[in-house]
Amino acid sequence: AQKITQTQPGMFVQEKEAVTLDCTYDTSDQSYGLFWYKQPSSGEMIFLIYQGSYDEQNATEGRYSLNFQKARKSANLVISASQLGDSAMYFCAMREYGNNRLAFGKGNQVVVIP
Amino acid sequence: SQTIHQWPATLVQPVGSPLSLECTVEGTSNPNLYWYRQAAGRGLQLLFYSVGIGQISSEVPQNLSASRPQDRQFILSSKKLLLSDSGFYLCAWSKPQGRGNTEAFFGQGTRLTVV
Repeated sequence: AQKITQTQPGMFVQEKEAVTLDCTYDTSDQSYGLFWYKQPSSGEMIFLIYQGSYDEQNATEGRYSLNFQKARKSANLVISASQLGDSAMYFCAMREYGNNRLAFGKGNQVVVIP
Repeated sequence: SQTIHQWPATLVQPVGSPLSLECTVEGTSNPNLYWYRQAAGRGLQLLFYSVGIGQISSEVPQNLSASRPQDRQFILSSKKLLLSDSGFYLCAWSKPQGRGNTEAFFGQGTRLTVV
């Protein structure tokens, strides 16, 4: 089964600065998708960005970008120009298209300070 | 448009009592369905997933079970709850196609407290 690793401790980020959240994964499948979700204190899961294993370009969605390094099996999320509303837990996830299993990492806590 | 309904929002149950959490999806067909559990301040643990009616893949739990009696209905059950079953339970669905952006859409979650 695939494994997703997020090991950074809780992070404090200054408002308007950029933050990088690390995610590494392990899979034997050649075809998979990588996802990042945000979970504010309300508990809802908000989809942020997607990267396919065959996509050559790094995905971007507004202030979110995904630094995809396939050979290193990493999919780091970069949040530019942090805002107070970015304070949340952030989860990296991977879906192996061979079996549709969607697994998540343990998450990164981000607190944006003014 | 597609929607996902999960209920109840909160639940307090005594140890040893049964559990039934229901999740339904509208506006799509043959979705992949998932159940996750999140302990306080922790990550999402995949419990079960299903790619079709009656097809359930189990990940971890010993005293939890899941069923998919209809295409868009996913039920999480337990015959006897343990204190360790407390947590935030999330149901999710995704489109069944193999590739592409198949993001998962989540329900609002059920906060279960076993006392």
